[in-house]
Amino acid sequence: GNSVTQMEGPVTLSEEAFLTINCTYTATGYPSLFWYVQYPGEGLQLLLKATKADDKGSNKGFEATYRKETTSFHLEKGSVQVSDSAVYFCALNPSASKIIFGSGTRLSIRP
Amino acid sequence: GAVVSQHPSWVICKSGTSVKIECRSLDFQATTMFWYRQFPKQSLMLMATSNEGSKATYEQGVEKDKFLINHASLTLSTLTVTSAHPEDSSFYICSARMPRTSEPWSSYEQYFGPGTRLTVT
Repeated sequence: GNSVTQMEGPVTLSEEAFLTINCTYTATGYPSLFWYVQYPGEGLQLLLKATKADDKGSNKGFEATYRKETTSFHLEKGSVQVSDSAVYFCALNPSASKIIFGSGTRLSIRP
Repeated sequence: GAVVSQHPSWVICKSGTSVKIECRSLDFQATTMFWYRQFPKQSLMLMATSNEGSKATYEQGVEKDKFLINHASLTLSTLTVTSAHPEDSSFYICSARMPRTSEPWSSYEQYFGPGTRLTVT
């Protein structure tokens, strides 16, 4: 079946620290992979995506590489800011009509 | 960017009553909208896929008579929780899909509403 597993939070870091949020997946076929972010009181926003193996998605300093050999799509950022505090969801779409989400990782950044 | 709104943002109702939640795409037409349910500290679970002008497709285990979905226009879908009970209390999130015909289906992007928190007492 199709599933997404991401590291449990909460994750608390100091400003300017390096961030990694792990995400692994199981899937049939060749899904696209996504990271969504949910800021407090807001809806989910697409942060970045990758549509095929070895693609790297990037946005706002965040990056994630579609690794088929390790079935992973880890989210990284070199220097986090307080404004990055949010809940991050890893997701995949096994078909045009579905997105399967991980459980979400809450990130808190201390000034 | 594409904006999706939901109304209300939160609602409290008594057990046995029905509640309607609206999902609107504000600046684009959405032929397909999705309804999700999110339990505390858990994933978003897809409840149903709503296509404009046709019946919704429900996921396995979702009661279609309890969660009525109507997608009467290209910018509005509604979810009605009928005869609500405390176990229906949850965070309900909708999304709308804007198809990109120039790219493979796998990159179709969904735009999410801010969610509606339902509490049934």
